[in-house]
Amino acid sequence: QSVLTQPPSVSGAPGQRVTISCTGSSSNIGAGYDVHWYQHLPGTAPKLLIYVNINRPSGVPDRFSGSKSGTSASLAITGLQAEDEAHYYCQSYDTSLSGWVFGGGTKLTVL
Amino acid sequence: QVQLVQSGVEVKKPGASVKVSCKASGYTFPGNHMHWVRQAPGQGLEWMGWINPNNGGTNYAQKFQGRVTMTRDTSISTAYMELRRLRFDDTAVYYCAREVDGSGFKPFDYWGQGTLVTVSS
Repeated sequence: QSVLTQPPSVSGAPGQRVTISCTGSSSNIGAGYDVHWYQHLPGTAPKLLIYVNINRPSGVPDRFSGSKSGTSASLAITGLQAEDEAHYYCQSYDTSLSGWVFGGGTKLTVL
Repeated sequence: QVQLVQSGVEVKKPGASVKVSCKASGYTFPGNHMHWVRQAPGQGLEWMGWINPNNGGTNYAQKFQGRVTMTRDTSISTAYMELRRLRFDDTAVYYCAREVDGSGFKPFDYWGQGTLVTVSS
C-alpha cells in the first residue's frame, strides 16, 4: 500500500479534461514537501511531467498542469489526446520513512 | 545530451545476488545524486535509495536496508546497485534515475532504460 494514494484509473474522451489526485499526509505533502508527477508508457522509462508542484519541463505541453493544497496534489490534463494514454505517478518525500515515495499510479484511458 | 545506459537482462536464482550498472554521460557525473527505482510486474514505482556520486554517501529505503548496496566508479561515470538474497518478489524492472541538482528534494529528470531482473528457480 502506497503512502501517497492515487485512483487506480481514470478515463475521458478525446478533448475532455481529467484530473488525477494524489493524497498524502502530514509526513509528506502536508509537511510542505514538493510533489512531482511522471508519465510512464509501457516499455519506456518514466518521464518527468510536472516538477515542484506546478512547473512543466521544457517540451511538456501546457495541457498538463499541477496543483497542491494541504495534504494533496492534483494533475490536470485538458484536451485529452490518444497519446496521453499512460500511467501517471505522483512523488514526494516522506519524513517518517526518511525517503522518497511514489503514489500507486493511475492508469489513464482515452476512450 | 544526458544519457543513462543500464546493463542488460539478468536471470537469477532465489538467494543469489544481482548487480546492475548505470553508465552516465553528457553531464558531470559527481554533480547529481543517482537514485534507483524498481517496478514489479503489474505494480507501481518503488524507490530503493540514492547514492551521492561525489562522496559515495548513500541513503536506502527502509525496506531494502541490509540487502542493497549502491556504489559508484567516478572514473567511468557509472553507478551500481547490488541486491542480495534475492526473492521471487524481487522480479522487476530496475531503473536508475538522476536527481536534478540543487538543494532540497528535487525531481528525477533523466532515467535509464531499465534492467529486467527475473528471479526464478
